Amino acid sequence: AQKVTQAQTEISVVEKEDVTLDCVYETRDTTYYLFWYKQPPSGELVFLIRRNSFDEQNEISGRYSWNFQKSTSSFNFTITASQVVDSAVYFCALGRYSSASKIIFGSGTRLSIRP
Amino acid sequence: EAGVVQSPRYKIIEKKQPVAFWCNPISGHNTLYWYRQNLGQGPELLIRYENEEAVDDSQLPKDRFSAERLKGVDSTLKIQPAELGDSAVYLCASSLGQGSGGRTDTQYFGPGTRLTVL
Repeated sequence: AQKVTQAQTEISVVEKEDVTLDCVYETRDTTYYLFWYKQPPSGELVFLIRRNSFDEQNEISGRYSWNFQKSTSSFNFTITASQVVDSAVYFCALGRYSSASKIIFGSGTRLSIRP
Repeated sequence: EAGVVQSPRYKIIEKKQPVAFWCNPISGHNTLYWYRQNLGQGPELLIRYENEEAVDDSQLPKDRFSAERLKGVDSTLKIQPAELGDSAVYLCASSLGQGSGGRTDTQYFGPGTRLTVL
């Protein structure tokens, strides 16, 4: 069975602090995809990143970085120098490497950035 | 490029009433998804379409929920009759689908419809 766990329900930090959102997944597949989505108060889920299981290189995009560790089944997301606009609910998701196109979401982490 | 469009954004109805949600996917996207998101949880898939064919509706409560995607573009999700427990955000997403190498597509989401059943 596939499962995504985001143990941090809520995080609150002061602006400009760095913050890491944890994501742990379970799957029996040897190849799979991992995703992060952002859901601001407007409600729309915004795609942030998609990572293949066979590519363990970390990725950096501006203030965002992702640390994929297959050995610990984790795909953590770090925001450097956080800003108030980063306040949102962040979801980690897991998808199968097949034509199924079905992804399983975690329960999300609500991130609040205080000015 | 226009994103996924959904309407209405908000709907308040009394229990036992019918309700319908509409979704227009990103142009050229063959796969369309309907999700339900309960408060404080991640989205859960209700149904997935490949063009006009429903290929995964295992999580759709078929006694009261129905969906259609005529002509393989727009889609409508209906609930009849609505129950108190149906209060949630209903999200529509789309992805390229066929031709993407059979791999899990990146899904792009609309703003959702927030349903309140009184």
